[in-house]
Amino acid sequence: QSALTQPASVSGSPGQSITISCTGTSSDVGSYNLVSWYQQHPGKAPKLMIYEGSKRPSGVSNRFSGSKSGNTASLTISGLQAEDEADYYCCSYAGSSTYVVFGGGTKLTVL
Amino acid sequence: QITLKESGPTLVKPTQTLTLTCTFSGFSLSTSGVGVGWIRQPPGKALEWLALIYWNDDKRYSPSLKSRLTITKDTSKNQVVLTMTNMDPVDTATYYCALFMITFGGVIGTGAFDIWGQGTMVTVSS
Repeated sequence: QSALTQPASVSGSPGQSITISCTGTSSDVGSYNLVSWYQQHPGKAPKLMIYEGSKRPSGVSNRFSGSKSGNTASLTISGLQAEDEADYYCCSYAGSSTYVVFGGGTKLTVL
Repeated sequence: QITLKESGPTLVKPTQTLTLTCTFSGFSLSTSGVGVGWIRQPPGKALEWLALIYWNDDKRYSPSLKSRLTITKDTSKNQVVLTMTNMDPVDTATYYCALFMITFGGVIGTGAFDIWGQGTMVTVSS
């Protein structure tokens, strides 16, 4: 069982917006602004999409945005495109002992 | 251009020790703020963080696997090595290494796994 809780699946139609939640605790998501999000297409390595909760690396579309409220972080994808269909994982710093935790992943289906 | 590539055996027997090497280019593990981490993914399952080593030789391990893991670096060879003892079939997974940079000494990092290797599949079976 993963330390961070994500919905197993979400879906949306092209052009729509979807949001994926990532629920942790006051020991990880709630205490640090160090949540990152990764996109993984089948058979491929993960790709960093969001870091420090809401920042986008160079080259990542501005259709991807991140936010946090309390112990829950969220990834929003606007203007859904077929190429966005993938698995998405959240990750958080969890203090000096546990250090890094991942979510269980969410499969995004573009209808 | 930053690249990382994992190498090691594709098949190990139960109880054996796994040794994986991450060979990278485009950055130096002697630069402040730079780290390299290992993450694995069993078939059809989620990512799991394993270990991380920093430029200053600070090492971090997953608490649940700490007793079985050792991470080391060879800065001159641009390599990071992960060893995992007492392998079990449940350790069957794709193992990834990734660049991890923190903000330190004026260098701005993401605090995330910026660039990933392609991964290497390891099967544990007798």
